[in-house]
Amino acid sequence: GAVVSQHPSRVICKSGTSVKIECRSLDFQATTMFWYRQFPKQSLMLMATSNEGSKATYEQGVEKDKFLINHASLTLSTLTVTSAHPEDSSFYICSAGGQGSGNTIYFGEGSWLTVV
Amino acid sequence: GNSVTQMEGPVTLSEEAFLTINCTYTATGYPSLFWYVQYPGEGLQLLLKATKADDKGSNKGFEATYRKETTSFHLEKGSVQVSDSAVYFCALSTGNNQGGKLIFGQGTELSVKP
Repeated sequence: GAVVSQHPSRVICKSGTSVKIECRSLDFQATTMFWYRQFPKQSLMLMATSNEGSKATYEQGVEKDKFLINHASLTLSTLTVTSAHPEDSSFYICSAGGQGSGNTIYFGEGSWLTVV
Repeated sequence: GNSVTQMEGPVTLSEEAFLTINCTYTATGYPSLFWYVQYPGEGLQLLLKATKADDKGSNKGFEATYRKETTSFHLEKGSVQVSDSAVYFCALSTGNNQGGKLIFGQGTELSVKP
């Protein structure tokens, strides 16, 4: 089946720094990627929709200047958490769909971000 | 707007018990419906899906039938195992063949005891 890979799986950063999380579709072209965050014991909340070659569409309440999303190719989207604060600590997970994914959305393994 | 409602957990069962996790949805149009499973410390894995009314998705002994008349997509398994312990998410997508954004239910934690 289709595979989506996320990196890093765990990252610890200091307050005020920026951290980048990558999401790659390994065997299909992902015209659309999605970024979610999940707080402990809660559901996934969509942050933004990332379309290859265009600006991301952010959900209401998500700060676009804080969560920078870039989808420069059909196999890679990145989420950069800028000026991270402890409250940004969360589980971030991406998903991808597109040509070759058979109308199914596949998820990456997720990235645990801890801001200290 | 579109939404998904799942039965609240945690659900605790003994091994070999019958499992039902209820899921109902509200959506415009004709959504695709999914069940995802999240094992401890891991990302989400697609468990099964159904794309149109009366479709039955099945995988690993789990089944769910897309019921348009009751707007439901309940997850069932006849005999659960300890290894089925995980959080189960019902979700819907209103996207086209290029993939759509998923709207998730709140998740139901399942714990299976030996």
